[in-house]
Amino acid sequence: AQSVTQPDIHITVSEGASLELRCNYSYGATPYLFWYVQSPGQGLQLLLKYFSGDTLVQGIKGFEAEFKRSQSSFNLRKPSVHWSDAAEYFCAVVSTGGGNKLTFGTGTQLKVEL
Amino acid sequence: DGGITQSPKYLFRKEGQNVTLSCEQNLNHDAMYWYRQDPGQGLRLIYYSQIVNDFQKGDIAEGYSVSREKKESFPLTVTSAQKNPTAFYLCASSIGAGGLEQYFGPGTRLTVT
Repeated sequence: AQSVTQPDIHITVSEGASLELRCNYSYGATPYLFWYVQSPGQGLQLLLKYFSGDTLVQGIKGFEAEFKRSQSSFNLRKPSVHWSDAAEYFCAVVSTGGGNKLTFGTGTQLKVEL
Repeated sequence: DGGITQSPKYLFRKEGQNVTLSCEQNLNHDAMYWYRQDPGQGLRLIYYSQIVNDFQKGDIAEGYSVSREKKESFPLTVTSAQKNPTAFYLCASSIGAGGLEQYFGPGTRLTVT
């Protein structure tokens, strides 16, 4: 079964600094990968997705992610973090068989220092 | 505006009572999903439905039940058999049975005492 690992539970960055959130997946075939963001007490919003093609994908709010098959990674990046980016971020993978269910990582809580 | 609505936002129940959480979508999506979220555990799939009148168990279906009588509605019942029902519940939908891109509702926080 596929799995997703987000090794950083909490990350703190200063406003204006760059950000990288790590995501590693375990899946035999080509994965379909997602990053979602969740503000406290809210639902999840899709930031970006990778299905195929260019391994560097652009998302909303200035985020991007790079798919690296050799490292089984799909790390999320942002060049300059804003205070409003403070939230919890989830990486997810879906298989193309068995109901196409999403498997989520445990999330990374981002704190932004002003 | 199209979207997913979940009601109520907060729900309180006494132990031993069944409770039903509402999820409605007007996106004309075929598939709908229920997730449970606990601190530090990410989201775990409870049930999902790819078409009307059909649904499948997810990873943690014990103590829960669902119905899908209408395309736009997918209510979740938390029964008294669920040992730890206090959690944040999220409903999602996707455009097709493929479920590749899911859209989420705002969630319902259930507290059982």
